[in-house]
Amino acid sequence: GQQLNQSPQSMFIQEGEDVSMNCTSSSIFNTWLWYKQEPGEGPVLLIALYKAGELTSNGRLTAQFGITRKDSFLNISASIPSDVGIYFCAGQLGSNYQLIWGAGTKLIIKP
Amino acid sequence: DAGITQSPRHKVTETGTPVTLRCHQTENHRYMYWYRQDPGHGLRLIHYSYGVKDTDKGEVSDGYSVSRSKTEDFLLTLESATSSQTSVYFCAIRAGYSSYEQYFGPGTRLTVT
Repeated sequence: GQQLNQSPQSMFIQEGEDVSMNCTSSSIFNTWLWYKQEPGEGPVLLIALYKAGELTSNGRLTAQFGITRKDSFLNISASIPSDVGIYFCAGQLGSNYQLIWGAGTKLIIKP
Repeated sequence: DAGITQSPRHKVTETGTPVTLRCHQTENHRYMYWYRQDPGHGLRLIHYSYGVKDTDKGEVSDGYSVSRSKTEDFLLTLESATSSQTSVYFCAIRAGYSSYEQYFGPGTRLTVT
């Protein structure tokens, strides 16, 4: 089936650092979504992207829909302890009702 | 808050027993989804529904069945639970016809012993 390659798998960061993660595919997507999941909870939608080249922010989070429509990026500026969790990308192809999911990036704050 | 509840939130059952998980939504969304989440696999689609009595298979549907007799309820049934079905199960709704955004319930942790 279709796959999204999400990287990195995990990140150890210092509080205050900026964070970058991305998702890539060989397929062209119409929509990119970024979610965050905290332990014991369901994923929560952070940012939705609908146009190639689109750059959208949500507080300290900024996501971009790649120009080629085959990738997307999420940046977190000045990380804080509550940013820890697993971040997932998801993409939508054609007119399919389903989303294709990345395997997640686990964000861990160094003590 | 997309008004999605899941029940039970936790369940331990024995191999071979039937199990039904319930997803309930209060906002009349047409599309509903069942996912399972396992370490290293992310979210995998089991089944989805695009209306009352309209359902289709996802990526990992073997061993699962679903039913949707009312808009607000989407049931996932494991006819004969196996240890490989130990997982966290999430229900989701799609926000609307022109949106592919999905919103998730809190999950059900199922352990099959």
